[in-house]
Amino acid sequence: EAGVTQFPSHSVIEKGQTVTLRCDPISGHDNLYWYRRVMGKEIKFLLHFVKESKQDESGMPNNRFLAERTGGTYSTLKVQPAELEDSGVYFCASSQALLRDRVLYEQYFGPGTRLTVT
Amino acid sequence: AQSVAQPEDQVNVAEGNPLTVKCTYSVSGNPYLFWYVQYPNRGLQFLLKYITGDNLVKGSYGFEAEFNKSQTSFHLKKPSALVSDSALYFCAVKGGATNKLIFGTGTLLAVQP
Repeated sequence: EAGVTQFPSHSVIEKGQTVTLRCDPISGHDNLYWYRRVMGKEIKFLLHFVKESKQDESGMPNNRFLAERTGGTYSTLKVQPAELEDSGVYFCASSQALLRDRVLYEQYFGPGTRLTVT
Repeated sequence: AQSVAQPEDQVNVAEGNPLTVKCTYSVSGNPYLFWYVQYPNRGLQFLLKYITGDNLVKGSYGFEAEFNKSQTSFHLKKPSALVSDSALYFCAVKGGATNKLIFGTGTLLAVQP
């Protein structure tokens, strides 16, 4: 079974430019999550999709960030325009569910995209 | 609000010795707890989880974690450390009624040969 994949693995862009990150979840996982780790701090939640719908986007920092999941398969996270503080590692995760019928499902994480804004 | 604390930025242990990576949590309601590990240049890998039941949870690679409700702790343990266990370890808690995970800041485990 293929794991969660993310593209690109690294991206270096200048302040003001646009970057689009892509995540392909594990096949059959309806739940897709975006997280990021900035400056070696804690990993912070950005948003959660259930299929193509945004279930929770409380962690999105501002309107420069736009996430989509058209068709409920892969997802993209666009940063436009990028700022210096956006630098960090962006993780995508997927799960079948999280808590259902007293079964707790773990989230499977991708390798991350390291974004550097100069 | 849900939160997780990992009080140690780094833990050093000699190969063959037991290791403990500490985690404390604050939740409203039942705690659903996880440990993940990140090896260099890799993504987060799931180690183990706690939902209810036995306070000692066994996971991957010989790791286990002890849930202590009175101390609100969920420390990660291994009886005998390997050099290959050297990595960044994250404790996480399910975020209340939502499905998001709330992570600690991570603890770097360094196992010396």
